[in-house]
Amino acid sequence: AQSVTQPDIHITVSEGASLELRCNYSYGATPYLFWYVQSPGQGLQLLLKYFSGDTLVQGIKGFEAEFKRSQSSFNLRKPSVHWSDAAEYFCAVFSGGYNKLIFGAGTRLAVHP
Amino acid sequence: EAQVTQNPRYLITVTGKKLTVTCSQNMNHEYMSWYRQDPGLGLRQIYYSMNVEVTDKGDVPEGYKVSRKEKRNFPLILESPSPNQTSLYFCASSLTGGADEAFFGQGTRLTVV
Repeated sequence: AQSVTQPDIHITVSEGASLELRCNYSYGATPYLFWYVQSPGQGLQLLLKYFSGDTLVQGIKGFEAEFKRSQSSFNLRKPSVHWSDAAEYFCAVFSGGYNKLIFGAGTRLAVHP
Repeated sequence: EAQVTQNPRYLITVTGKKLTVTCSQNMNHEYMSWYRQDPGLGLRQIYYSMNVEVTDKGDVPEGYKVSRKEKRNFPLILESPSPNQTSLYFCASSLTGGADEAFFGQGTRLTVV
């Protein structure tokens, strides 16, 4: 069955530090992968997506993610975190068989000044 | 402004009292869906609709109903709420389905006592 695993429930980083959020997926075919961000009290917003082509994708707010088929991973990165990046981040894979997104459990990011 | 609007944002109700959470989108999207978000579980799909009068169950449909009489509206109905339906609910829409960017409402925090 398709699934998404985000191994880290909570991550805390200092402002200005680099960030990497991990995501592993289980999917038989070539996956369509997404990262969404949920700011406090808000709905989810798309950060970036991977469908095919270049395995390093750029998104909004300075985020990027790298697709690694050999590791079944799609980790999200940012070189320098800002306090406004504190939020919950969700990785998702599109399940073509069911025409829906399958979400991971989320990683909550805290940013220390 | 393109948006998905949910109402109410917060709701406290008693067990067994029927309630409806409304969802409306102004982007002429065909696909709409409802999710519930619970700690450690991420977002799980309750119901989805691929177009007017076309709805189908998601992963956790028990205790919920939906209808899609108009393209823009997709209300979530709890006929007899129970405490295990206490959760954060999100409505989402996308152009044609799961691989398109999903736009989310701000969420409805429901407490059933």
